[in-house]
Amino acid sequence: GAGVSQSPSNKVTEKGKDVELRCDPISGHTALYWYRQSLGQGLEFLIYFQGNSAPDKSGLPSDRFSAERTGGSVSTLTIQRTQQEDSAVYLCASSSGRQVAFGSGTRLTVV
Amino acid sequence: DQQVKQNSPSLSVQEGRISILNCDYTNSMFDYFLWYKKYPAEGPTFLISISSIKDKNEDGRFTVFLNKSAKHLSLHIVPSQPGDSAVYFCAATGSQGNLIFGKGTKLSVKP
Repeated sequence: GAGVSQSPSNKVTEKGKDVELRCDPISGHTALYWYRQSLGQGLEFLIYFQGNSAPDKSGLPSDRFSAERTGGSVSTLTIQRTQQEDSAVYLCASSSGRQVAFGSGTRLTVV
Repeated sequence: DQQVKQNSPSLSVQEGRISILNCDYTNSMFDYFLWYKKYPAEGPTFLISISSIKDKNEDGRFTVFLNKSAKHLSLHIVPSQPGDSAVYFCAATGSQGNLIFGKGTKLSVKP
């Protein structure tokens, strides 16, 4: 596709449920990032995939968060046993060099 | 511990005047810096970047200045236009490839 695609664009879930957020990066981009933006906050780094290297998971806030990148392309961010503080916009980005392109994000609301 | 800091959460400027957005960083291993612009309900879009081997990069109305000794960079927008009103994020990266963002500065350009 022409850009980074994220789905769903909006997700409302009940506290305690698991959610999966999907990211389709730009074709050929070797690097993929997940960030989240909570209300009034900046872009918080979550996880970074680069080619076949082990991902940099240093930004994941708890063990309820995990992410996979299958076949070096599509990525899924999974949040288990969601809490209200997980409510945020989750942004995916990809790059082939040093300029990173973002998707429009998934707005997650935990009620 | 914030590695990239944008100390001004907001900035208001009159149309036609110069907007100056500031960013400080702490990690001396950063060697590439980027500015992103974000409108509500959209993902961040790339604006301009600068390598650490330069001290200035210009693209139309946008100029980024880098002061490595002070670990400081700034984005100048001149002349400012109402359509420039958005949140501006400073970001930095190094050899590890991860991209670290500041908390953003909300720019309002008044007609």
